[in-house]
Amino acid sequence: QLQLQESGPGLVKPSETLSLTCTVSGGSISSSGYYWGWLRQPPGKGLEWIGSISYSGTTYYNPSLKSRVTISVDTSKNQFSLKLSSVTAADTAVYYCMGAAAGTGVDYWGQGTLVTVSS
Amino acid sequence: QSVLTQPPSASGTPGQRVTISCSGSSSNIGRNYLYWYQQVPGTTPKLLIYRNNQRPSGVPDRFSGSKSGTSASLAISGLRSEDEADYYCAAWDDSLSGQVFGGGTKLTVL
Repeated sequence: QLQLQESGPGLVKPSETLSLTCTVSGGSISSSGYYWGWLRQPPGKGLEWIGSISYSGTTYYNPSLKSRVTISVDTSKNQFSLKLSSVTAADTAVYYCMGAAAGTGVDYWGQGTLVTVSS
Repeated sequence: QSVLTQPPSASGTPGQRVTISCSGSSSNIGRNYLYWYQQVPGTTPKLLIYRNNQRPSGVPDRFSGSKSGTSASLAISGLRSEDEADYYCAAWDDSLSGQVFGGGTKLTVL
């Protein structure tokens, strides 16, 4: 049973870069067939997919965020991370990390972390 | 504006059967698997249906999914108070090369 935990600043200033890390425990982040991703949910609004990275290292990003997003994996620490640059108040949201074994119906989510963009 | 279209709200009484629709296009629902998530307010989304109509282990068979063309639906039978939540559909979109979500449907159990 995998467990995921997000970590990072809860407050980011406008124009700066939001950086979050997701630590995976209970299994290897290099497991074949798994992909890892980030989603967010602005207060009172719906879910938005930010991007994902496959076990082979292929990345996919939301086209509306692609120019500002980077998702990477650190296998030595069993972590993956999200960087979102040039943030504005519109990026204020609960950010979730998740992992899933493709096609199996098995997925794991972090508890979510609220990131507020404000000066 | 979400790529997938869901009704903003739905409701039913305990024991009833309710359905929630999700409409898309040939680049998403029409070509790829449809997923449904349940989110009780204040909690993490939970995968309810994957690959159009498959239930993950532990999801009651009261929940069922179907897909036809560029539309899909989630049916909940024997409605219970604990089913009150927000429901989201999601699919991969080949044109956008990304995952897209519906705007969510708030289900109220009257």
